[in-house]
Order: sequence, then C-alpha cells, then structure tokens
Amino acid sequence: AQSVSQHNHHVILSEAASLELGCNYSYGGTVNLFWYVQYPGQHLQLLLKYFSGDPLVKGIKGFEAEFIKSKFSFNLRKPSVQWSDTAEYFCAVNAKETNDYKLSFGAGTTVTVRA
Amino acid sequence: GAGVSQTPSNKVTEKGKYVELRCDPISGHTALYWYRQSLGQGPEFLIYFQGTGAADDSGLPNDRFFAVRPEGSVSTLKIQRTERGDSAVYLCASSKQGLHTEAFFGQGTRLTVV
Repeated sequence: AQSVSQHNHHVILSEAASLELGCNYSYGGTVNLFWYVQYPGQHLQLLLKYFSGDPLVKGIKGFEAEFIKSKFSFNLRKPSVQWSDTAEYFCAVNAKETNDYKLSFGAGTTVTVRA
Repeated sequence: GAGVSQTPSNKVTEKGKYVELRCDPISGHTALYWYRQSLGQGPEFLIYFQGTGAADDSGLPNDRFFAVRPEGSVSTLKIQRTERGDSAVYLCASSKQGLHTEAFFGQGTRLTVV
C-alpha cells in the first residue's frame, strides 16, 4: 500500500513570498501523483497531476510541482503567493498497477497567507 | 448539477443510531469512491465502486459500515450502531473509468455522533 508524508503541518507567509510544500510517498511501483487544494468552506479541488512524461507539471493558479523519482518526492511550488491562496493543500498518490485508482492522501498542509 | 452532490451536508446523531449518507456523482462517471476525513488528517479511502459493484471495500473499518450503488449512479453509505469515533467528514468522489483520470470530490457530509 502507498503512504504519503507531507512535511509541514502549517505554513504562514506574507503575500508575494514564495511557497514550497514538501511531499514524499512510499511505494515500490509506479504512481500517479496529485495535489489537491481545499479553500475555506469549499470542496477538494485538483491543482495539478502527474501521470507520465515531463516531471515538471504546471497546474492552475500559477502552481507547479516537480516529480523526482529518485527521491520519491512531488513538491508543490508557487513563486509568489496571494492572500487567496490561503487553503489546505493535500498531496495524493495512486498506484498505476491497480485497477481502482484509489487515492492515498497525506495529512495536509494548512497555508495561511497574510496580506 | 455539474458537480458531485452529497446530502445531508451535516448530520448529528446519537450514539447507537443508524445513519445513511447519500452521494450523487457526476453524470457519466462510472467510478465512485467514499473517503473519510478526520480532523487534522487527509481523506482515508473507504470503498470504491465500478458501476454497481463494490470493487474494493478494503477501507471499510468494520462491519458496521456498508455502501450500495444499486443502479450504478447514486450511492448510499450506511453506518449502523454509530459510535463517537465515527464522527468525521465523509467525502464522495467520482471519476470516469481509466488510468489517466482525476477524481472530483463533493462537499462532504459532516457526521457528528453525540
């Protein structure tokens, strides 16, 4: 079974600061990788995903993530955050070899952006 | 509606009671998932349906939990003899079948067992 570790529980930063959230997974096979975001009072939404190909993927709202296979990592980055990026961020993986694609999530990182 | 719909949005029940949580997936999505999210944690997988059948129920914590999807669309998660530890947000997600697909989540049902 897969497991996901997110390094930061809560990150506080000012507008225009750069953001990087760590994500590491544990699984011996090949995986699909995802970052989901949950804005206050809203449902989980997909920020970006990696299935194959270029390990640097770009998502919505200026976010990007890089898959480093040798490090089992899929860190999320944004060069300049806005107040509206305040949300909870979840890294998730599923295994390519299985047929059900169920997601294993990390515990999440709460990001607070101060104006 | 365009998204995954879950009802009720909030449910308060007494310990020992039976509850049903409903999920209406995006039209045309054959895959449906239930997850449970406890405070401070990420969602945890409960059960996966492909069409009408439960293809993977390995995440159900015990036999008090059961889910159905009789017509391959709406699904109901059923919890018998609720316990305070069942309090959590129950999330439903749906997706198209296939490897390179993403799951779309509903708003969740917040279950509180008192």
